[in-house]
Amino acid sequence: AQRVTQPEKLLSVFKGAPVELKCNYSYSGSPELFWYVQYSRQRLQLLLRHISRESIKGFTADLNKGETSFHLKKPFAQEEDSAMYYCALRLYNQGGKLIFGQGTELSVKP
Amino acid sequence: EAGVTQSPTHLIKTRGQQATLRCSPISGHTSVYWYQQALGLGLQFLLWYDEGEERNRGNFPPRFSGRQFPNYSSELNVNALELEDSALYLCASRVPGDFNQPQHFGDGTRLSIL
Repeated sequence: AQRVTQPEKLLSVFKGAPVELKCNYSYSGSPELFWYVQYSRQRLQLLLRHISRESIKGFTADLNKGETSFHLKKPFAQEEDSAMYYCALRLYNQGGKLIFGQGTELSVKP
Repeated sequence: EAGVTQSPTHLIKTRGQQATLRCSPISGHTSVYWYQQALGLGLQFLLWYDEGEERNRGNFPPRFSGRQFPNYSSELNVNALELEDSALYLCASRVPGDFNQPQHFGDGTRLSIL
């Protein structure tokens, strides 16, 4: 069955420290993975997608098919990065529906 | 560009009642997805509508239903409400025909069952 796992409910770091939000997936097909972010009192929005191989707001994520992981990384965390982060797997053969992880709350302390 | 809009923002119902939630997609988007974000359960896929038809549904009972109108807006109906239906219901839309395009989310409707 398809599944996305984010093992950390809460991750707390100090400003300037590196950040890694973990995401593991289970899917027999070719995965398409995304990171969505929800800042306080804002709507869920797309942060980045693995096929774009881009860096958004200093965040990057690399798909590792061997480890079935798609961890989100940033070398130097900023206070404005504090938010809820969701990893999601898109099922192309099911109309593009998204399977979300449980989310990780990132708290960046000054 | 106006984003996905959902109404109402908050809906309070009692057990056994029926609830109707509404979603207007981004102009030009024909696919609408509904997700439930319940406490402790995360975001779960509910329904997918495209071109007026229900194309896929998640693991939810039949009392969760909906429809998509000719203008691509959508309604989610929940009958015989139960306490565990209390959740944030999110709607998302996508451009037509291209599953590679990302889904854009609305602010959600918070449904509270008393």
